[in-house]
Amino acid sequence: KNQVEQSPQSLIILEGKNCTLQCNYTVSPFSNLRWYKQDTGRGPVSLTIMTFSENTKSNGRYTATLDADTKQSSLHITASQLSDSASYICVVSGNYGGSQGNLIFGKGTKLSVKP
Amino acid sequence: DAGVTQSPTHLIKTRGQQVTLRCSPISGHKSVSWYQQVLGQGPQFIFQYYEKEERGRGNFPDRFSARQFPNYSSELNVNALLLGDSALYLCASSLYRPQSAYGYTFGSGTRLTVV
Repeated sequence: KNQVEQSPQSLIILEGKNCTLQCNYTVSPFSNLRWYKQDTGRGPVSLTIMTFSENTKSNGRYTATLDADTKQSSLHITASQLSDSASYICVVSGNYGGSQGNLIFGKGTKLSVKP
Repeated sequence: DAGVTQSPTHLIKTRGQQVTLRCSPISGHKSVSWYQQVLGQGPQFIFQYYEKEERGRGNFPDRFSARQFPNYSSELNVNALLLGDSALYLCASSLYRPQSAYGYTFGSGTRLTVV
């Protein structure tokens, strides 16, 4: 069964600290993996997208890694800010169609950044 | 260029009523997918349309239906609303090339509350 699992489920950190979110997937076929940031009540916004051959990709203070062999990805946030408080969702995409659609979602990690 | 546009942004309906949600994809995108996101959960796949044809359907009852128009915009209809239909409904558009690095872009969602 195609699945994406994220950990931790929730995380509280102090402003200015770094953190790392994890994503493990058992999805085939694999097309690409995206990390989205979702503020409460809003649509997900893409942070990074990585294809099979990419190991690392950065977007400002966000750095995503991908190990296609172990089917693991991580999202590292540097020097956290209060505005980073949100849910971070890992999404794997491919040509699945049918009852799953083409996107397999993790349940997200809810990050709270405290002053 | 405009992103994915969803309307309305918020909606309150009573049980048993019918609702229509609308989505305009990014210009040039030919695929629209609909997702339901209950508070605290990840998005659940409802439908995918490409070139006006249904290409995937999630595990939702027949009360849910959708269609895509010649201009690639889409409507999601829900009949006989239940309290459990209260959720954020997300629309995502894509070129429908899963191998594409551009992937999917989400709208801001429609918040439906059934009372």
